[in-house]
Amino acid sequence: SQTIHQWPATLVQPVGSPLSLECTVEGTSNPNLYWYRQAAGRGLQLLFYSVGIGQISSEVPQNLSASRPQDRQFILSSKKLLLSDSGFYLCAWAGSYNEQFFGPGTRLTVL
Amino acid sequence: AQSVTQPDIHITVSEGASLELRCNYSYGATPYLFWYVQSPGQGLQLLLKYFSGDTLVQGIKGFEAEFKRSQSSFNLRKPSVHWSDAAEYFCAVQVGGGADGLTFGKGTHLIIQP
Repeated sequence: SQTIHQWPATLVQPVGSPLSLECTVEGTSNPNLYWYRQAAGRGLQLLFYSVGIGQISSEVPQNLSASRPQDRQFILSSKKLLLSDSGFYLCAWAGSYNEQFFGPGTRLTVL
Repeated sequence: AQSVTQPDIHITVSEGASLELRCNYSYGATPYLFWYVQSPGQGLQLLLKYFSGDTLVQGIKGFEAEFKRSQSSFNLRKPSVHWSDAAEYFCAVQVGGGADGLTFGKGTHLIIQP
């Protein structure tokens, strides 16, 4: 069966510091991968998606970037965090009908 | 661009009572439709999905949803709620079955009264 991991689970970072969040998927090959952000009291916003190694599509211009160095690894990064980057970050992979399966999430607080 | 509306931010239901959570979407064709549930501090769990065919779909945990094309709706229902159903519920759409991400509604917070 497929499993999706995210780490760290929680992170507190100062404004202006860098960020690296990692997502890995087990039990499937060449999945479509997604990063979403959930701000407090709001729905989920799609940030990036990837259909293969090195292929990244950005949905929202922002302070973040994504990379996919391996087939089942998806990384979300920032060079300098802003207060507005705080939120709950969710990684997902897509099944055969594009139903998406989500990881446990990373709670990021920028102070 | 497609959009999803969940008109109820909060809903309070007594344990054992029936539940209906509303979802309306805006898109010219029939998108793929999903309902997810999120417990506090957790990721999202897929409850059910609709792609085509029978407009009444069954999901996990006793939930079902009905697609109504004429109303552009995909409402979630459960005949008898349990205290463990208290959570945030999200409706989502995806267009065309491609690689695009899901578009989510803002969610409905379900509170269960004893």
